Amino acid sequence: ETGVTQTPRHLVMGMTNKKSLKCEQHLGHNAMYWYKQSAKKPLELMFVYSLEERVENNSVPSRFSPECPNSSHLFLHLHTLQPEDSALYLCASSQGLAGYYEQYFGPGTRLTVT
Amino acid sequence: DAKTTQPNSMESNEEEPVHLPCNHSTISGTDYIHWYRQLPSQGPEYVIHGLTSNVNNRMASLAIAEDRKSSTLILHRATLRDAAVYYCILDTSSSGGSNYKLTFGKGTLLTVNP
Repeated sequence: ETGVTQTPRHLVMGMTNKKSLKCEQHLGHNAMYWYKQSAKKPLELMFVYSLEERVENNSVPSRFSPECPNSSHLFLHLHTLQPEDSALYLCASSQGLAGYYEQYFGPGTRLTVT
Repeated sequence: DAKTTQPNSMESNEEEPVHLPCNHSTISGTDYIHWYRQLPSQGPEYVIHGLTSNVNNRMASLAIAEDRKSSTLILHRATLRDAAVYYCILDTSSSGGSNYKLTFGKGTLLTVNP
């Protein structure tokens, strides 16, 4: 039990579908993150939220839309994705944003876009 | 962007120490050095982090060069469960600021032989 859960664990969607990924942390943390891990590529930071406010958006296409309704929940809304968006999407949380806080990762959602 | 360089792969024998190197020549004075590892089919897991001084915890030790341009993660006695991809990361965030950056490299794939 890592304290960070993600649902669903696996998702297959067509390019015209709309779906959402959910992340929940049970650690009382104030910061949450979305990462993308493509095959044979480094983890890429997508979005960062601190106290429910977005503080970073690393040039992510608008077909990815994050939402952080409270400090325990983070969503990634997906629409009109491309096959190259197939990847493992990881959520993480940390106590704060400063560099001395460790991040706790969820198990990820394996997304396949057909 | 702050960048780290690690060997693509390393091999070790069970019960022997492992030294995983990382170069980060562009590090600045406030950047923390983090190490995470990722076991197959799991999200990354925090291992250790430090700023200037060497650090020890129950999982590993982190040796940081005096000029901070390189560091070494030390697993004192490798076990089969330590087989994973190890990531050395510079956390360039400033406390509470909007310039949050966390750059993962490709990591080092550690193989542990029985």
